[in-house]
Amino acid sequence: EAGVTQFPSHSVIEKGQTVTLRCDPISGHDNLYWYRRVMGKEIKFLLHFVKESKQDESGMPNNRFLAERTGGTYSTLKVQPAELEDSGVYFCASSQTSPNTGELFFGEGSRLTVL
Amino acid sequence: AQSVTQLDSQVPVFEEAPVELRCNYSSSVSVYLFWYVQYPNQGLQLLLKYLSGSTLVESINGFEAEFNKSQTSFHLRKPSVHISDTAEYFCAVSEGPGGSYIPTFGRGTSLIVHP
Repeated sequence: EAGVTQFPSHSVIEKGQTVTLRCDPISGHDNLYWYRRVMGKEIKFLLHFVKESKQDESGMPNNRFLAERTGGTYSTLKVQPAELEDSGVYFCASSQTSPNTGELFFGEGSRLTVL
Repeated sequence: AQSVTQLDSQVPVFEEAPVELRCNYSSSVSVYLFWYVQYPNQGLQLLLKYLSGSTLVESINGFEAEFNKSQTSFHLRKPSVHISDTAEYFCAVSEGPGGSYIPTFGRGTSLIVHP
């Protein structure tokens, strides 16, 4: 069974440009999460999808970030325009709804560097 | 709101020595507790979890953690570490029954095992 996959693994862009990160969750997992880790700091929650609906987007930093999950399968996270402080590792995770064991399955992360 | 504190950013230790990685949390509701591990160039993976029942939980590779409600702690221990245990360890807390299940993570502790 394929795990959570994220693309790209590393992206280097200049301030003001746009970047789109993609996440493919484990097949059958209704829950999809985005987290971000800025160097040396905690892994911070960004948002949570249940199927195609945004259940909780309280962690999204500002309106430069847009997340979508069309059809309830893969998800994209777009940053437009990117700022220096957006640099970090963006993790995607998925989990099943039933039974809910509390365990999240993570991808390897997408490292974003904004110059 | 819940939070997780991992006081030690780095823990160096010699092979076969015991180790303890500390984790304290704050929450106003009942909690689920987790330890995730991230090996180099990989995503986070669940190491062990406490949902209910026995306060001492164990992983398949010799780690254990004990839920201490009075001290709001969930420290991770291993009596004898191996070189392959070198990784970053993240403590996480989520709301318990009826809650959101979305974990809040600490900033991580880098365990460095020296030969």
